[in-house]
Amino acid sequence: EAGVAQSPRYKIIEKRQSVAFWCNPISGHATLYWYQQILGQGPKLLIQFQNNGVVDDSQLPKDRFSAERLKGVDSTLKIQPAKLEDSAVYLCASSLIPPGRMNTEAFFGQGTRLTVV
Amino acid sequence: AQTVTQSQPEMSVQEAETVTLSCTYDTSESDYYLFWYKQPPSRQMILVIRQEAYKQQNATENRFSVNFQKAAKSFSLKISDSQLGDAAMYFCAYIGARARNQFYFGTGTSLTVIP
Repeated sequence: EAGVAQSPRYKIIEKRQSVAFWCNPISGHATLYWYQQILGQGPKLLIQFQNNGVVDDSQLPKDRFSAERLKGVDSTLKIQPAKLEDSAVYLCASSLIPPGRMNTEAFFGQGTRLTVV
Repeated sequence: AQTVTQSQPEMSVQEAETVTLSCTYDTSESDYYLFWYKQPPSRQMILVIRQEAYKQQNATENRFSVNFQKAAKSFSLKISDSQLGDAAMYFCAYIGARARNQFYFGTGTSLTVIP
């Protein structure tokens, strides 16, 4: 079974530039997460999708971050304009949650390491 | 709000020995899962083991086992017969029914395995 695919693996940009990350979840997984992992910290949820609808984006800095999941499959996360403090690894994860049940496992991609200089 | 605390930023273990990583959590929910994820240098988070709160029996997966103390809200991971490939960041995570299936992660423990 193919895993969660993310691209690019690495990105270096200057502050105030724009950047986009792409995620292709495991086939059939309705739930998709974007996490931000700053060096030395645990992943922090940015946004959660259920199919193509947003379940939770309360921690997404909406003045500069945006995300979409067209057709309920692939997702893109965009930062515009980037700040130095956005330097982090951006992880995408997907899950298959049976109706009425709790999520018991998330499958993660290898992440995109973003460096803002 | 749910919080997950890992008080050991770094741990080391001799190859073939046993090490225990600590995790505590805070929640008012009764229905939840706890997880240990491993993150090697490749950055991909890999599920090591999970525990359902309703199960009293501690989960075990080969060399990995947990000590789940529900009343104390403690969830430690024991790695037996440590191998070089166990070297990684280990994250404790929580998910509860009310949080709409959000994972909450601790800050991680970096495990070094000494040959």
